[in-house]
Amino acid sequence: DTEVTQTPKHLVMGMTNKKSLKCEQHMGHRAMYWYKQKAKKPPELMFVYSYEKLSINESVPSRFSPECPNSSLLNLHLHALQPEDSALYLCASSRQVNTGELFFGEGSRLTVL
Amino acid sequence: KQEVTQIPAALSVPEGENLVLNCSFTDSAIYNLQWFRQDPGKGLTSLLLIQSSQREQTSGRLNASLDKSSGRSTLYIAASQPGDSATYLCAVGRFGNEKLTFGTGTRLTIIP
Repeated sequence: DTEVTQTPKHLVMGMTNKKSLKCEQHMGHRAMYWYKQKAKKPPELMFVYSYEKLSINESVPSRFSPECPNSSLLNLHLHALQPEDSALYLCASSRQVNTGELFFGEGSRLTVL
Repeated sequence: KQEVTQIPAALSVPEGENLVLNCSFTDSAIYNLQWFRQDPGKGLTSLLLIQSSQREQTSGRLNASLDKSSGRSTLYIAASQPGDSATYLCAVGRFGNEKLTFGTGTRLTIIP
């Protein structure tokens, strides 16, 4: 099983809403990542978790709040987002941080109204 | 700072042709390079991973090569098919840096 599962696939939210994106993998990977991708651009790294601890925060605004409840799950909590935050949010995992192959989920398409 | 470039940005070829996609990077101190494909609105699918000690990797009709000294990798696709149409991205990992650097991508269209 080389699958990273993301839910929901699509999310529409207002600027005052609170929502969460979820990511799950069962490959025994100990590194998990959140990326943001705008149209026709490469993915941009947001957060890296290594062994359930936050390893990298790429100066992401606090309206994005990551959480890693266990080694298989990664959440991204969203609050008071702006329309410019609309994008494809991708979760990825690897055996350890930046070793081995990086596996991506299908993404969550977020629209902020 | 590592910079990764993919030229051309877009490529159209007739079905059945062999083709090569290019990836150039400025810092040769890499520990791996990975090729991905991305269909519109979808996630990235890993195609091939080349470790810094390797020269090439093969999977089916795909062959990726790595020349660290010249800062180049190529992805060779044999006997192209319409289903190969997608955006192809390379990403480079650097020693001591947890962050992969992605190229800008090549949008490939295979014409039936």
